[in-house]
Amino acid sequence: ELVLTQSPGTLSLSPGERATLSCRASQTVSSTYLAWYQQKPGQAPRLLIYGASNRATGVPDRFSGSGSGADFTLTISGLEPEDFAVYYCQQSGSTFGPGTKVDIK
Amino acid sequence: QVQLVESGGGLVKPGGSLRLSCAVSAFTFSDYYMSWIRQPPGKGLEWVSYISTTSSHIKYADSVKGRFTVSRDNAKYTLYLQMTSLRAEDTAMYYCARYDSNGYYELDFWGQGTLVTVSS
Repeated sequence: ELVLTQSPGTLSLSPGERATLSCRASQTVSSTYLAWYQQKPGQAPRLLIYGASNRATGVPDRFSGSGSGADFTLTISGLEPEDFAVYYCQQSGSTFGPGTKVDIK
Repeated sequence: QVQLVESGGGLVKPGGSLRLSCAVSAFTFSDYYMSWIRQPPGKGLEWVSYISTTSSHIKYADSVKGRFTVSRDNAKYTLYLQMTSLRAEDTAMYYCARYDSNGYYELDFWGQGTLVTVSS
């Protein structure tokens, strides 16, 4: 059974700082099927990245994804106030990681 | 614009049943795989089920297998989730979502969710 682990659990940063979020799989997975989502309180998740590194429509270019094998990264190059949220990775359209909360320091 | 609207949630007693619906619009429903995802209050996302375009391929999370049934009516542009033998741990916001058709298996559009509470 595939397990996704995200770290850190919480990331406390200031606006303008760079955020680096990790998603690690319990086995080698295909980067083709690795996606990242953003969820704000009271809202449904929003697709950010698919295929490990492709930005979804309308996603600002400060969001980038990378990785392969079992290790993947979501980077937010300069946090805007609206980026403080919870981020989830997902593999193969099913398994989700537990999420990383990015909050304001 | 693409819309997914869930309905059918509510308060149900343990052991009870509930049927959720997800009405979609602004895309050709029969061309897309669909999924249900749930989120217990204050917790993370849990994938529940998916269904293929013609209902020929269906999969469930182990936590709901044998109790939940996903189905779709392509003529009515509606996705369903029949939930039986409900337990307290099924309490969650239930989202329907669409898989993009590009082969990457990401969920590109989500509904706003319907809340299911299982409690006596």
